[in-house]
Amino acid sequence: EVQLLESGGGLVQPGGSLRLSCAASGLTFSTYAMTWVRQAPGKGLEWVAAITDDGGSTWHADSVKGRFTISRDNSKKTLSLQMNSLRAEDTAVYYCVKGSSESRPYYFNYWGQGTLVTVSS
Amino acid sequence: EIVLTQSPGTLSLSPGERATLSCRASQSVINNYLAWYQQRPGQAPRLLIYGASSRAPGIADRFSGSGSGTDFTLTISRLEPEDFAVYYCQDYGNSRTFGQGTKVEVK
Repeated sequence: EVQLLESGGGLVQPGGSLRLSCAASGLTFSTYAMTWVRQAPGKGLEWVAAITDDGGSTWHADSVKGRFTISRDNSKKTLSLQMNSLRAEDTAVYYCVKGSSESRPYYFNYWGQGTLVTVSS
Repeated sequence: EIVLTQSPGTLSLSPGERATLSCRASQSVINNYLAWYQQRPGQAPRLLIYGASSRAPGIADRFSGSGSGTDFTLTISRLEPEDFAVYYCQDYGNSRTFGQGTKVEVK
């Protein structure tokens, strides 16, 4: 059974940094693209960042470009999201999501339970 | 970038009724790379449909997807209590963007 377990969320002040992690199990992690998707309180889904199976290519949404960085460690089956210069509008539940294949196009076939990031003073 | 517009915003129905949800794209979705997700209250989203009409493993056959180009539909043939949730469409062939969601609520 595929399991994705996020960690690292919490309360941070505006301008601060946070690093999210996602531990994967039950899958050959190194053969799938991975993604972070977020959901602000009471709002819809927003794609944040994506990375290919080997980590060779990454993409970031315009709203986080230059502030967030997605990465992965296939030896540890871990996906990460480094978030810098955090803003109030980054407050959301962040989901770790598995892609259906190693690179685009892929749909999102497994989702973690999410970790809440709150940016507030 | 493709914009996906879902309608209606809220659908009020009773258990056993048929639900028809619409997702319209601002430009043609390449190769019908359109997915539907369900999000129950307090839970993570889960994949229902991919490729516009293919059901994901373990998804009940009362869920069906149809459409092509710019107009897509998710149909729930007979609503079960657990189907009252928010549904999102997504273009995964081009922009990865999601629609704003349709909430299916109990009438």
